[in-house]
Amino acid sequence: NAGVTQTPKFRVLKTGQSMTLLCAQDMNHEYMYWYRQDPGMGLRLIHYSVGEGTTAKGEVPDGYNVSRLKKQNFLLGLESAAPSQTSVYFCAVGITYEQYFGPGTRLTVT
Amino acid sequence: DQQVKQNSPSLSVQEGRISILNCDYTNSMFDYFLWYKKYPAEGPTFLISISSIKDKNEDGRFTVFLNKSAKHLSLHIVPSQPGDSAVYFCAASGIYSGGGADGLTFGKGTHLIIQP
Repeated sequence: NAGVTQTPKFRVLKTGQSMTLLCAQDMNHEYMYWYRQDPGMGLRLIHYSVGEGTTAKGEVPDGYNVSRLKKQNFLLGLESAAPSQTSVYFCAVGITYEQYFGPGTRLTVT
Repeated sequence: DQQVKQNSPSLSVQEGRISILNCDYTNSMFDYFLWYKKYPAEGPTFLISISSIKDKNEDGRFTVFLNKSAKHLSLHIVPSQPGDSAVYFCAASGIYSGGGADGLTFGKGTHLIIQP
C-alpha cells in the first residue's frame, strides 16, 4: 500500500450529511480509482480518472461525485449520505494493468 | 448479474499442500485477469496477473492458469504456507476505458485458511 494514502480512516455520518474522502498518491501515475466493498461482496468500481481534470463513471456511481483537480489527488464526495453508503472505500492507483490500493476508509451512515 | 464469479466462499488446505482457487467470468471483453490478496483491515495487495493471450503465468509459489474457451481461471499456490491465509479476489480488466490500467471487476472473494 506504499504510496497511496486515504483520509480519513474512519468516519460516522448521519443521514443527509455530506463529506469528502481524499486519496493521495506520490507515484505520479495517471490512473486513479474509487471502489467500495460491502460485506460478502467484492470491490465495486464507483468512479475512476485517467488523468488530471478527467473523471468517468464505474459500476455504482449514483450518490457520489469525484474530482481530480491535481494529478496526485482524487476526491470522492457524498453530497447527502444514505445508510446504503455504509461501506469500506478503497482508492487505487493504476500502473499498466496492475492497481495498487490504499488502506481504506470505513464509513458508517446512521 | 455478476460478471466475475468465485463460487467457493472459503477453502481450507493443510500447510505444505497445494491450494487451488477458482474463478469464472462471463464477459468476453475482459482481456486481463488479476489476483489480489487481502488481509483484514488492509487494502488488497496485487499478487499475480495474466493476459488473455497467455494460458499460464508463474511467479514463485504462485501460478495462474487461464482457459479462455471455458472462461475460467485458477490460482495455484504451492506449497501453501500459514501466511497465505487471507481472502483472495479474482479481478478482470477491459470493459471500462480499455487497455492498460482499466477499472477492475472483482469476484466476491475466497477465504483461504491454511491449517498447520
